[in-house]
Amino acid sequence: AQKVTQAQTEISVVEKEDVTLDCVYETRDTTYYLFWYKQPPSGELVFLIRRNSFDEQNEISGRYSWNFQKSTSSFNFTITASQVVDSAVYFCALSEYRYSGGGADGLTFGKGTHLIIQP
Amino acid sequence: DVKVTQSSRYLVKRTGEKVFLECVQDMDHENMFWYRQDPGLGLRLIYFSYDVKMKEKGDIPEGYSVSREKKERFSLILESASTNQTSMYLCASSLPRGATEAFFGQGTRLTVV
Repeated sequence: AQKVTQAQTEISVVEKEDVTLDCVYETRDTTYYLFWYKQPPSGELVFLIRRNSFDEQNEISGRYSWNFQKSTSSFNFTITASQVVDSAVYFCALSEYRYSGGGADGLTFGKGTHLIIQP
Repeated sequence: DVKVTQSSRYLVKRTGEKVFLECVQDMDHENMFWYRQDPGLGLRLIYFSYDVKMKEKGDIPEGYSVSREKKERFSLILESASTNQTSMYLCASSLPRGATEAFFGQGTRLTVV
C-alpha cells in the first residue's frame, strides 16, 4: 500500500526566510508519480509540480524548487525568500501507475503542512 | 481554462437524508475522483472512476456510493447521511496513467445535522 508522510504539521517563518517542506513516501511500484499541491485559504487545490519516478532531476521554478531523491524516498519542496502570499496548506501526493482499469489510481495525500509566513 | 465544477459550495442536510453531490468536468478526462478532507487527516479517497459506468472503491467507501452515467459527470451519493459525514468533499479529474496532474473542483462543505 502506498503512503505519504509530511511530518511537519505547521511551520511558521518570517517573510524572506527560506523554508523547506518535507515529504517522504512509500510505494512498492517502480512506476509512480509525485505531486505537490497548494491549498490557499480559499480552499481550492492548486497544482504545483508533477514528477515521475524515472526523473530524479531537481526542478526550479522561480522561488520554488523541488528535490527528489529515490534513495531516501523523499520529495522535498523549498520556497526561497518566502512571501506572505505563500501562506497556505501544502500537500504532497503519490499516485501509482495502473496497468489496467484506465490509468493511475487516485492520489494518496499526506496530511499537509500548514505554512505561515509572517510579515 | 480547464474546469471541474461542483454543484454546491455549501450544503446542510439532515441525518438520514439521501444526499447527492454532483461534479462536472469539461476536459474530457477519463478519470474522476471523490475525496473528503478533514482537519488533521488530509485528503482521503472515497471512490474513483476510470470510465463511464466503471468505479472502484478508494480508502474510505463505507456509507457512500457513486454514479458515472456520462463521461463528464461523477456523482457522490450518501445513501443515509450521518453526522460523521460532515466534511469538505473535493472532486477531481485527470487523464489516465498519470499523464497529467489531477484538477480539483472548489469543494463542497457538507454539514449533516
